[in-house]
Amino acid sequence: QITLKESGPTLVRPAQTLTLTCTFSGFSISTAGVGVGWVRQPPGQALEWLALIYWDDDKRYSPSLKNRVTITKDTSKNQVVLTLTNMDPVDTATYYCAHRDEWKYVLDYWGPGTLVTVSS
Amino acid sequence: DIVLTQSPDSLAVSLGERATINCKSSQTVLKSSNSNNYLAWFQQKPGQPPRLLIYWASTRESGVPERFSGSGSGTDFTLTISRVQAEDVAVYHCQQYYTTPNTFGQGTKLEIK
Repeated sequence: QITLKESGPTLVRPAQTLTLTCTFSGFSISTAGVGVGWVRQPPGQALEWLALIYWDDDKRYSPSLKNRVTITKDTSKNQVVLTLTNMDPVDTATYYCAHRDEWKYVLDYWGPGTLVTVSS
Repeated sequence: DIVLTQSPDSLAVSLGERATINCKSSQTVLKSSNSNNYLAWFQQKPGQPPRLLIYWASTRESGVPERFSGSGSGTDFTLTISRVQAEDVAVYHCQQYYTTPNTFGQGTKLEIK
């Protein structure tokens, strides 16, 4: 059974760096084709794809984040970490991590999400 | 980036009636090498994460009721709910995974009339 859960601060000050951890179970990120992605959703708005890391450490980012975002993995801990620098109130959102299936290529299992508010 | 435009933004359907949601892509998401359309549909209820319904444009995810179906190819796609039930009230999102960034549509809100 695949599960994922996001953790990190609920409140971040403007200009600070956000670090979110996705802890997962039920799969190995070392399996060929597997990945973990991050998606966010501002209150009442659409989903926004942020980043994806693959089993072979290939990383893909949203160009709209303009070098603010970094994704890494710790295979031994079953964790994927998302870092977003220079936070702004417009980054207030629920942040989700999700499992990328090696056969379907799609994000098929999602964590419950964590709401991050950016405010002074 | 590939832009996905969903229509309508919202719709109200009577119980037992059909609901149709469209998703138009700014460029093809059909990969000629394998004839797969890299298009998925998600359902999202308030306070919950998205739930995968359909992938490869028309393949139903395990456990998804048969009343949900996906169709289309290239740039034009449709999610159909054949007989809407009360528990189908949600926001529906399409997503392309043909190329990164794997963009989403703006979402379509389904309500009961």
